[in-house]
Amino acid sequence: NAGVTQTPKFQVLKTGQSMTLQCAQDMNHNSMYWYRQDPGMGLRLIYYSASEGTTDKGEVPNGYNVSRLNKREFSLRLESAAPSQTSVYFCASSDRGGKAFFGQGTRLTVV
Amino acid sequence: AQTVTQSQPEMSVQEAETVTLSCTYDTSENNYYLFWYKQPPSRQMILVIRQEAYKQQNATENRFSVNFQKAAKSFSLKISDSQLGDTAMYFCAFYFGNEKLTFGTGTRLTIIP
Repeated sequence: NAGVTQTPKFQVLKTGQSMTLQCAQDMNHNSMYWYRQDPGMGLRLIYYSASEGTTDKGEVPNGYNVSRLNKREFSLRLESAAPSQTSVYFCASSDRGGKAFFGQGTRLTVV
Repeated sequence: AQTVTQSQPEMSVQEAETVTLSCTYDTSENNYYLFWYKQPPSRQMILVIRQEAYKQQNATENRFSVNFQKAAKSFSLKISDSQLGDTAMYFCAFYFGNEKLTFGTGTRLTIIP
């Protein structure tokens, strides 16, 4: 069972570079999420998608864009990376009762 | 907007003892879901327990149980007979309808041998 697959696991970027984090789920879930986790800050929602074709901002959307390519895939793009975006990123999907399944996380460092 | 508050940044307890982690939330909704997730050092997020707000009975999963007080908007997690493998970050989370899943800031729990 693949569940939620998130790539890459690690990435180092230089300030100003761009990158896309990929996420795919095979559980036929409507809802998908991108979170960032910083020490002492818990999980903060960047963007979420309640269904294919829709996306909404979370609490920390600045500097990010997302794309819900289809029901399975939800990507997160950093257009011009900044050191403040150094974090661990998690993709998740949830069933109708809110039970969430998470990817393994991406540790991103921006230097 | 819904908010979730975990007021205990860190806790520690001796192995085999019982520990309770606190969580409060704020919502105007009536039917929703509450969760506790565990994040060990591996960073993997693991669902510990789920509570449906329309159910009065508190959810239990083996050594894990909750005390759900709907009127007080309180949702605490009790871990009985704590084990070294329970050492982790614990996050409380709220979900309503087809909207976002909101997390608290977490409690770092250490089980002392």
